[in-house]
Parts: sequence; C-alpha cells; structure tokens
Amino acid sequence: SQQGEEDPQALSIQEGENATMNCSYKTSINNLQWYRQNSGRGLVHLILIRSNEREKHSGRLRVTLDTSKKSSSLLITASRAADTASYFCATDGTGNTGKLIFGQGTTLQVKP
Amino acid sequence: GAVVSQHPSWVICKSGTSVKIECRSLDFQATTMFWYRQFPKQSLMLMATSNEGSKATYEQGVEKDKFLINHASLTLSTLTVTSAHPEDSSFYICSATSKGYTGELFFGEGSRLTVL
Repeated sequence: SQQGEEDPQALSIQEGENATMNCSYKTSINNLQWYRQNSGRGLVHLILIRSNEREKHSGRLRVTLDTSKKSSSLLITASRAADTASYFCATDGTGNTGKLIFGQGTTLQVKP
Repeated sequence: GAVVSQHPSWVICKSGTSVKIECRSLDFQATTMFWYRQFPKQSLMLMATSNEGSKATYEQGVEKDKFLINHASLTLSTLTVTSAHPEDSSFYICSATSKGYTGELFFGEGSRLTVL
C-alpha cells in the first residue's frame, strides 16, 4: 500500500531554477528518505531525515520534515538537465525495519 | 559503499513459464531483504519482506504461491515468478539491510520482466 501522496506529480522547469517537491504520509515514522530514479533504472538514495530532525542539507538538496503535518519537502537548487528523473519519498515506520513505503513520485524535467 | 546486485537485469519469457530473479548483497550480510515491483510510470509497491532462514512475509494482495521468495543465505534472496502471465510484466527491485540497521538501505538495480 502507498504511504502517501507526492505533489506535484510532474514538474517542468528551466535549468538553473529551483525545484520543490512535496510528500505527505499517513502514519508515524522513524525516518523519511528521498530517492531518485532515472527512467528504467534502479534507485539512488539522496538523503535520509530522521523523525527528530526538521531540516537537512546535502549539496544542492534541502529536505524538510514536519511530523506534525506528516509532510516533507525536497528542494533542489540551481537545477541541471542531469537532475531530470523521478523523485520518490519513502517512509520507514516506527519499527525501523527498513520496510519502506513509497510515495507516488514526482517526475521532474529540467530543460537545458 | 555496500552493493546489492540483481540478476538478470532484464528477462523475456513465454507465458506459463517460471522466472527466477536473484538479489545478492556483495559485501555485507543482508539479514533482511525486501522485494518491490514497479509498473511503468508508477511508484514502488512492496511485495514481501524476506528474512534469512525464515519464510517471507507477504503484503496484502500479493499471492505467495505466485511469487515465491527464498532467502537461503545471508547474501542471497530469490524471487520466482511462477507460471508467469503478461500482467506480471513489471520492474522488480530488491533492497537489503544488515544487522543493526539504522536507516541505511541498499537497493539493487532492478530486473525488468517481460512476459509474452
């Protein structure tokens, strides 16, 4: 079953612009993770944020987590054409088992 | 970093045949492995959780007799799609965690199954 929703479902921007994707989930979590998937390929882990954290940075990525609203956002700054991919959030429940439940995903297109 | 390898990366088979997909942890002991399937332009759906030496736990709606999962060793889990039909065509991805998991998961590259 899907944990939650992501929006937008699709996003198209110009190179250099920022891209923001949002994720909502339904149950309590231990951590929330963001992944990237290029078409037809496997998943690339981007960032993990724990339930007691509110914001995390990694290079051009900024992730926020609001457990009171059960939502997270992923911001990609100064986007590049190579950022074109699908982005998924995934939650790991309070059991902390590694059993991830994925959101619907956002398809990002960055135009050169 | 830790690596999880899936094989084959793609397979085409005839309807009615069985197909086995392997998921191997190359440099760590995977106490738990997870199997997901992904239809085109959709998200990943968890199929089952596999623990080494015990029976897999299947998610609701996943037929355990259809999707046989075996986790016989700490480095290998297999998913066998039995009597495959065209609707089983999908992208299958595994992930693995090691003992003392604290959030770091490792995903395979996925296996694309096409059933004719």
